[in-house]
Amino acid sequence: EAEVAQSPRYKITEKSQAVAFWCDPISGHATLYWYRQILGQGPELLVQFQDESVVDDSQLPKDRFSAERLKEVDSTLKIQPAELGDSAMYLCASSFGVNQPQHFGDGTRLSIL
Amino acid sequence: AQSVTQPDIHITVSEGASLELRCNYSYGATPYLFWYVQSPGQGLQLLLKYFSGDTLVQGIKGFEAEFKRSQSSFNLRKPSVHWSDAAEYFCAVGAGSGYALNFGKGTSLLVTP
Repeated sequence: EAEVAQSPRYKITEKSQAVAFWCDPISGHATLYWYRQILGQGPELLVQFQDESVVDDSQLPKDRFSAERLKEVDSTLKIQPAELGDSAMYLCASSFGVNQPQHFGDGTRLSIL
Repeated sequence: AQSVTQPDIHITVSEGASLELRCNYSYGATPYLFWYVQSPGQGLQLLLKYFSGDTLVQGIKGFEAEFKRSQSSFNLRKPSVHWSDAAEYFCAVGAGSGYALNFGKGTSLLVTP
């Protein structure tokens, strides 16, 4: 069972609606990552946090996506409004430090109707 | 920019046969290299990692990988495959100041009786 907790496991919503994903990293892990995995592809980084600060959000579609993390604890990724192309698996990972192995949660499977 | 290529989209092997999954990377310096495995609908599990030192690294579940700088490769091997090894395998490189992972497109492994 994954040690990084994510919820919900599945989310089905209509386009133009708002959707939010939650991630609780492994205790003590300062670095947190959100990845998006389209079916049949490898994960791609959306945003990286070091503690509560954003390190890299260059691939985050900021017109509709937002992410936040409160002091070394959980993180939330939001999409508003959702589009059909957002259907994917959203994976959260955490690591002790930036050059340490990343541990992944089981992900949230998002389907946009 | 760094990139990872997994030339084989699908591989089928018989149970008990040996396995080699190919991975080539492009990166200017010595990268941090990883192999992850993903079962359907699940997150990613770390199989092994290479940071430095011995170029042959041992991982979990009987897997090993060899880093070959001259060939820019980090191929994954297992001497005898079990039916439970059927899954998607991803090679990844961690680089840059944030060490976010850049994944290949994955290789789907099918194990036949």
